[in-house]
Amino acid sequence: DAKTTQPPSMDCAEGRAANLPCNHSTISGNEYVYWYRQIHSQGPQYIIHGLKNNETNEMASLIITEDRKSSTLILPHATLRDTAVYYCIVRVNYGGATNKLIFGTGTLLAVQP
Amino acid sequence: DGGITQSPKYLFRKEGQNVTLSCEQNLNHDAMYWYRQDPGQGLRLIYYSQIVNDFQKGDIAEGYSVSREKKESFPLTVTSAQKNPTAFYLCASSISGTGGNEQYFGPGTRLTVT
Repeated sequence: DAKTTQPPSMDCAEGRAANLPCNHSTISGNEYVYWYRQIHSQGPQYIIHGLKNNETNEMASLIITEDRKSSTLILPHATLRDTAVYYCIVRVNYGGATNKLIFGTGTLLAVQP
Repeated sequence: DGGITQSPKYLFRKEGQNVTLSCEQNLNHDAMYWYRQDPGQGLRLIYYSQIVNDFQKGDIAEGYSVSREKKESFPLTVTSAQKNPTAFYLCASSISGTGGNEQYFGPGTRLTVT
């Protein structure tokens, strides 16, 4: 699975959009980009994943660049409850590939009142 | 409610003792996983099971053992051979052990060994 690089921490004002970047320059054609988040002392929570098209769900939007070497997770209106560590994970997503996740150290997003 | 439960939330043991951490899921998921998290670090995979009566070592299996006798249960034993057992342990499950199914995590067990 390709390696990812994320900034260690970011701040965001409450009510504003939070844009979390992730670099994955060695991503290969069959690897998906996944995002999870972990609120302090809890288990991680799945947010969203995508291959090459932009994706949106009730939690967030995922923007993947055309060359797929980087992506951005967007929380459109951050709240204090969005303060967490956000993990960007790249992995193969096809039948037969073991469904293992490799977590880096992520980005600590601190939403400020 | 459907979900994954881990118990207890906090566990204290003396060095040299084996300890078993519980993980139960009622999501009817085939696959289950155990991760370990140390302060300021990401999660590392200990063991995983793609189906009942089958399991494989993850990246840091030494000093740990598991069993998968029932679909809904995947207990983890931290043995006395594990050199640094104090950590936050997380259990997860997914519909299948292959492909890209999202993983659902339990609330974790914080183990302290002194």
